Amino acid sequence: GENVEQHPSTLSVQEGDSAVIKCTYSDSASNYFPWYKQELGKRPQLIIDIRSNVGEKKDQRIAVTLNKTAKHFSLHITETQPEDSAVYFCAARGGSYIPTFGRGTSLIVHP
Amino acid sequence: DTAVSQTPKYLVTQMGNDKSIKCEQNLGHDTMYWYKQDSKKFLKIMFSYNNKELIINETVPNRFSPKSPDKAHLNLHINSLELGDSAVYFCASSGGTSGEQFFGPGTRLTVL
Repeated sequence: GENVEQHPSTLSVQEGDSAVIKCTYSDSASNYFPWYKQELGKRPQLIIDIRSNVGEKKDQRIAVTLNKTAKHFSLHITETQPEDSAVYFCAARGGSYIPTFGRGTSLIVHP
Repeated sequence: DTAVSQTPKYLVTQMGNDKSIKCEQNLGHDTMYWYKQDSKKFLKIMFSYNNKELIINETVPNRFSPKSPDKAHLNLHINSLELGDSAVYFCASSGGTSGEQFFGPGTRLTVL
């Protein structure tokens, strides 16, 4: 089955800095890679996703890159703000409709 | 309108009891899921249910059982609750070609 590794487990940055979270996956058949943000006490919510026919996708301050050859994908947040503080989960989904989640990264943005 | 709803939001109970958590989605999705999130925040898939096909994570104890009365509902029954069952349980649904999962607000279960 699919195995998704996510790093780092904790990331602490100053407001205005950039943050990068990296994930690797094992199943070359995976073709959909979503990222979820979970604020404290709330539900996970999709913030951006990318499919295997695309190498990069941007949405304002967030971007995701995908390297299919190396089987890794990354989330980039620029100009971080305190409200970006949350747990971020990457996931990978292939032939099965069930996604496999990474273990999460706790992002702390210091004002 | 709430897309995916769960009840109750909080559940406090004694060891050995049997309890249920209800989940409903009004998105018309074909697939529903149950996740367990422990204190370390890891989202562990427990079950997925798609067009009457149930896929069970083999690591889930058989004290846990999902019940789907119809496509919009997937309830979770837990028998003989144990201390280690304390966690937040999320219901989710997905459908169409987007792949996005929509999560419910979560149920915080505390077993004393």
